[in-house]
Amino acid sequence: EDKVVQSPLSLVVHEGDTVTLNCSYEVTNFRSLLWYKQEKKAPTFLFMLTSSGIEKKSGRLSSILDKKELFSILNITATQTGDSAIYLCAAPGAGSYQLTFGKGTKLSVIP
Amino acid sequence: DVKVTQSSRYLVKRTGEKVFLECVQDMDHENMFWYRQDPGLGLRLIYFSYDVKMKEKGDIPEGYSVSREKKERFSLILESASTNQTSMYLCASTPWRATNEKLFFGSGTQLSVL
Repeated sequence: EDKVVQSPLSLVVHEGDTVTLNCSYEVTNFRSLLWYKQEKKAPTFLFMLTSSGIEKKSGRLSSILDKKELFSILNITATQTGDSAIYLCAAPGAGSYQLTFGKGTKLSVIP
Repeated sequence: DVKVTQSSRYLVKRTGEKVFLECVQDMDHENMFWYRQDPGLGLRLIYFSYDVKMKEKGDIPEGYSVSREKKERFSLILESASTNQTSMYLCASTPWRATNEKLFFGSGTQLSVL
């Protein structure tokens, strides 16, 4: 059975802090790992990672994949209150259409 | 701009009622999905459809059915709602042959079954 595990499940930081969110996976026929951000409404796509060691970056957010150790991290630098959200990690499993999601990390950034 | 629209943001129903959750996408996507999201459990796939009139069970199909009569519309049906179906329901879509990297999600329907 495919598995995606995120840690921590929740995190409270102050504005300006740097945070690291973790995602480990056990997926048959691994193809990619995805990160989504969910505020009050629909999850929105952040990154897709397919290759080890290649950092993906978007502003203050960055992510990297380690296919040997089967994990990914999402870094957020200089956090802002607008970064408060649930961050979801997911991976396509053996079936082409099915994404397996982790339980999410709830990040709260306080002023 | 791409859009996945779920008909209701909040819904309150009684135990035993038949419930329809509607989802419409305007992107001509072939694949559509229904997930439920619960605290501590994350997103779990209920059903998906890769074409009109086609459907496949996800991880937790029990107590649900779906209907896809038109390409743009995917309905989730709770034949007889129960309290354990109180949840956030998210609809999503992707184009054909996408490997689900960019699921486009609707805003969700928070269903409460009393």
